[in-house]
Amino acid sequence: EVQLVESGGGLVQPGRSLRLSCAGSGFNFDYYALTWFRQAPGKGLEWVGTIRSKAYGSRTEYAASVKDRFSISRDDFKSIVYLQMNSLKTEDTAMYFCARVGIQLWFVMYSYDYWGQGTLVTVSP
Amino acid sequence: DIVLTQSPLYLPVTPGEPASISCRSSQSLLHIDGYNYLDWYLQKPGQPPQLLIHLASNRASGVPDRFSGSGSGTDFTLRISRVETEDVGVYYCMQPLQTPLFTFGPGTTVDIK
Repeated sequence: EVQLVESGGGLVQPGRSLRLSCAGSGFNFDYYALTWFRQAPGKGLEWVGTIRSKAYGSRTEYAASVKDRFSISRDDFKSIVYLQMNSLKTEDTAMYFCARVGIQLWFVMYSYDYWGQGTLVTVSP
Repeated sequence: DIVLTQSPLYLPVTPGEPASISCRSSQSLLHIDGYNYLDWYLQKPGQPPQLLIHLASNRASGVPDRFSGSGSGTDFTLRISRVETEDVGVYYCMQPLQTPLFTFGPGTTVDIK
């Protein structure tokens, strides 16, 4: 059974850092790209960033709202993808989901077929 | 960035009746390969989103056949042939064409009358 389990969320003060983890199981982790999405309370879904598989150079891309503050990395041996969040702002408060990219091509990634349950990040003084 | 709009934003439904949701894109999602790059997701209360449809009209594995997607270019529709109570939640369209700048529609809340 494919599973993605996020962890590492919590309450943090503005300007501080937090690292989220997403552990995968039940599939060939190194084959897939993984993406972080977030959802502010009562709001819609927002793409945060993506890390491609090693076959595509483990390339990372980020939304403009988090670029230069957030970074994504992966440890294929442990089947974990990380989201390092620095210089956190109150507007980063959200549920953070990781999701598996079902179809990864050189020019497009689509079909997010498995999602974790999410981990809540609250940024507050 | 590609902007997606959905209508209606709120849809009260009667179990057993059909329902449809529209998603309109600010740019064509039809790629030169002939595919329309649009996904549909359902987020049930308290749960993460789940994939319903990819490439505008292809049901994901395990999705009941009462769900169907159609459309091309900039106009897309998700249809539920006979709504069941378990279908309540927020439906999102999402465009992956501008990978990795994925964008979602605002969501359509489906609720039972």
